[in-house]
Amino acid sequence: KAGVTQTPRYLIKTRGQQVTLSCSPISGHRSVSWYQQTPGQGLQFLFEYFSETQRNKGNFPGRFSGRQFSNSRSEMNVSTLELGDSALYLCASSSSGGVRETQYFGPGTRLLVL
Amino acid sequence: AQSVTQLGSHVSVSEGALVLLRCNYSSSVPPYLFWYVQYPNQGLQLLLKYTSAATLVKGINGFEAEFKKSETSFHLTKPSAHMSDAAEYFCAVSVLGGSQGNLIFGKGTKLSVKP
Repeated sequence: KAGVTQTPRYLIKTRGQQVTLSCSPISGHRSVSWYQQTPGQGLQFLFEYFSETQRNKGNFPGRFSGRQFSNSRSEMNVSTLELGDSALYLCASSSSGGVRETQYFGPGTRLLVL
Repeated sequence: AQSVTQLGSHVSVSEGALVLLRCNYSSSVPPYLFWYVQYPNQGLQLLLKYTSAATLVKGINGFEAEFKKSETSFHLTKPSAHMSDAAEYFCAVSVLGGSQGNLIFGKGTKLSVKP
């Protein structure tokens, strides 16, 4: 069974640009969550999608958005990039997001904003 | 509000020695607790989780953790460290009490293993 895949793995953007990151969950998984990891703030929850609906949202500005498609693949978008958006963005999938399930993480997309 | 505190951002042990990584939580409702490991340039891998069943939880790679409500702790241990255990370890708590989709993570503890 293929794991969670994230594309691209590395990305360099400049301030003011926008970026779209993609996450393909494990086959059959319908819950996808996104996290931002930075040296200063650590791991922070961005949002969770389940069956194409945003189920939970973290404390991030509206520049951060996401969506989920009918095949459970998910994208997150960051508009008007700031230097502080440089981070490793991780997505994770599970069958339905239940706490008793195992959540599987992808390798992440490393975004550098110049 | 729920929170997680990991004591010690860096822990160094000798190969074969006991590994003890500390995690304390704060939660107004019964928590669900997790330990994840992150190897360099990789995502997170679940080591173990506490979901209100047995208080002593066994995970992968010989790790285990004990949930102690009176101490609000969920420390991670391994009797004998291997070189391959060198990684960063994260403790996390589930905010909603029922969904794993929204986790609050500690700042992480980087484990070094000396030969």
